[in-house]
Amino acid sequence: QVQLQESGPGLVKPSETLSLTCTVSGGSISSYFWNWIRQPPGKGLEWIGYIYYSGSTNYNPSLKSRVTISVDTSKNQFSLNLISVTAADTAVYYCVGLAVGGPFDPWGQGTLVTVSS
Amino acid sequence: EIVLTQSPGTLSLSPGERATLSCRASQSVSSSKLAWYQQKPGQAPRLLIYGASSRATGIPDRFSGSGSGTDFTLTISRLEPEDFAVYYCQQYGSSPRTFGQGTKVEIK
Repeated sequence: QVQLQESGPGLVKPSETLSLTCTVSGGSISSYFWNWIRQPPGKGLEWIGYIYYSGSTNYNPSLKSRVTISVDTSKNQFSLNLISVTAADTAVYYCVGLAVGGPFDPWGQGTLVTVSS
Repeated sequence: EIVLTQSPGTLSLSPGERATLSCRASQSVSSSKLAWYQQKPGQAPRLLIYGASSRATGIPDRFSGSGSGTDFTLTISRLEPEDFAVYYCQQYGSSPRTFGQGTKVEIK
């Protein structure tokens, strides 16, 4: 079955760029829409956006001005860039698959990113 | 954007009891595209229910979902010790996809 693994720095300075990568294994990257979802400590879940293997994207309007999601089909990876981060961007970031018209599944284990100087 | 409101915020119950969790949407959820997830501390959410009432692969039949339009319910018929967790509803009928704020089911 498809498995997802996030990777990237666990600490980012304010005003800098948060960059994470998700590696997809056990399945084709062309099979799903690939999402990023985040969860601040002790809080709920927020959808950030998705990318399809073709490169088409859709972002949450609340983050659209700061987010870029990209895909590298040769490496079976997709990535998140979030610019101009503040402490409010501190969260566990999950990469998540999504079949056409379906719910979020499967999920990566998540990675905590802390924004602090 | 569809806002999902879950109630109650916390449910205190004993093992063996029935749990009923509510999720209300600010507007109708298209084609009953409503999912429920379970999240335990330190873990990613796990898909339980999709399409408002279909159980995901491997989910025990004590979990059931119902509802349509703006009102949805997750029922756990008899709570097992491993069911104490936070539950989120989520709509995937329109963009942006949104989550409820969660209901914590705790041991009484």
